[in-house]
Amino acid sequence: SAVISQKPSRDICQRGTSLTIQCQVDSQVTMMFWYRQQPGQSLTLIATANQGSEATYESGFVIDKFPISRPNLTFSTLTVSNMSPEDSSIYLCSVLWDGDTQYFGPGTRLTVL
Amino acid sequence: GESVGLHLPTLSVQEGDNSIINCAYSNSASDYFIWYKQESGKGPQFIIDIRSNMDKRQGQRVTVLLNKTVKHLSLQIAATQPGDSAVYFCAENLSDTGRRALTFGSGTRLQVQP
Repeated sequence: SAVISQKPSRDICQRGTSLTIQCQVDSQVTMMFWYRQQPGQSLTLIATANQGSEATYESGFVIDKFPISRPNLTFSTLTVSNMSPEDSSIYLCSVLWDGDTQYFGPGTRLTVL
Repeated sequence: GESVGLHLPTLSVQEGDNSIINCAYSNSASDYFIWYKQESGKGPQFIIDIRSNMDKRQGQRVTVLLNKTVKHLSLQIAATQPGDSAVYFCAENLSDTGRRALTFGSGTRLQVQP
């Protein structure tokens, strides 16, 4: 399977600021995804990061709040903009590998004060 | 690390016993299912998957059963060990739409008592 890393692993931020999370894969992959996991909850898809085009966002998530970049087949970033305490979550990237199987990174634990 | 699944249903088993974790999925058209294990402070880890043309698949110490009639998925863990303690999520996908994103279930916390 692919090896996925995320930076930062955790952060504590002030409300109103923005944080960019990086996701790096050790192999080229066609599809990358960003999920959010709120405290005590399951995973919810934010968007599919498309290489060379705009990300595809799920209902309830918008580009102004969660801009995503995918400059190549091994890297993507998710920015959480104008943060509020409600944005405190674990943010996870995943990649599609070997057909339909998704593998996840270790996550970025964000706390907004 | 931070706890995951603070308010999730919990299954408590004795070390060495078999565990059965259940999941009801939502979309009758889903044709691909995955079980993930998430330990505290870590991302979800792939355990086993199954396609809708099968009703059972076995891995190392794990078995997944699929009942499409009642939209039910289960994960059986044989000879449960303390290292199996984690939150377990099922996920589903409708693979032929080209949309590969997964829909996750709510999760179950497995606690293994020594």
